[in-house]
Amino acid sequence: EDKVVQSPLSLVVHEGDTVTLNCSYEVTNFRSLLWYKQEKKAPTFLFMLTSSGIEKKSGRLSSILDKKELFSILNITATQTGDSAIYLCAVPDPAGGTSYGKLTFGQGTILTVHP
Amino acid sequence: EAQVTQNPRYLITVTGKKLTVTCSQNMNHEYMSWYRQDPGLGLRQIYYSMNVEVTDKGDVPEGYKVSRKEKRNFPLILESPSPNQTSLYFCASSSWTGNTGELFFGEGSRLTVL
Repeated sequence: EDKVVQSPLSLVVHEGDTVTLNCSYEVTNFRSLLWYKQEKKAPTFLFMLTSSGIEKKSGRLSSILDKKELFSILNITATQTGDSAIYLCAVPDPAGGTSYGKLTFGQGTILTVHP
Repeated sequence: EAQVTQNPRYLITVTGKKLTVTCSQNMNHEYMSWYRQDPGLGLRQIYYSMNVEVTDKGDVPEGYKVSRKEKRNFPLILESPSPNQTSLYFCASSSWTGNTGELFFGEGSRLTVL
């Protein structure tokens, strides 16, 4: 059974701090790892990672994948109150060579950023 | 506007009363799926569909049914709801041929079963 584990489960920081969120996985047919941000509503897509060592960046957020050690990290620098959210990672088990099939999410990390 | 629409957004019902949560997307996506979200458990996949008439079980399919008769619609059916199905439900879709990894989510349906 595919497994995705995130840590920490919750994190409280102050504006300006840098945070690192972790996602480890055990899947049978690894193709990619996805990161999502969920505020008060639906999750929104952040990154898709497929190759080890290649960092994806979007503003103050960045993410990297280690396929040998089976984990990914999501970094947020200079945090702001608007970064407060649940951060989810997910690993698809692709069917027939496509991106998706069964999709396993981690429990999520609840990040709270205080002013 | 590209979107995934779920209805109803909020529902309180009683044990055993059949209900359907509808999901419709206007992006011509092949892939659609349903998730439930419970505190501390993240999102768990209920069912997914790779295309019309093609559906498969996710991690927690018990007590749910789905159908995919048209590409745009993927309803979730609870034949005999029970209190342990009280949850926040999300429908999502993606064009897997694009291979970008982006899954588009609906706004969620909060279901309470008494």
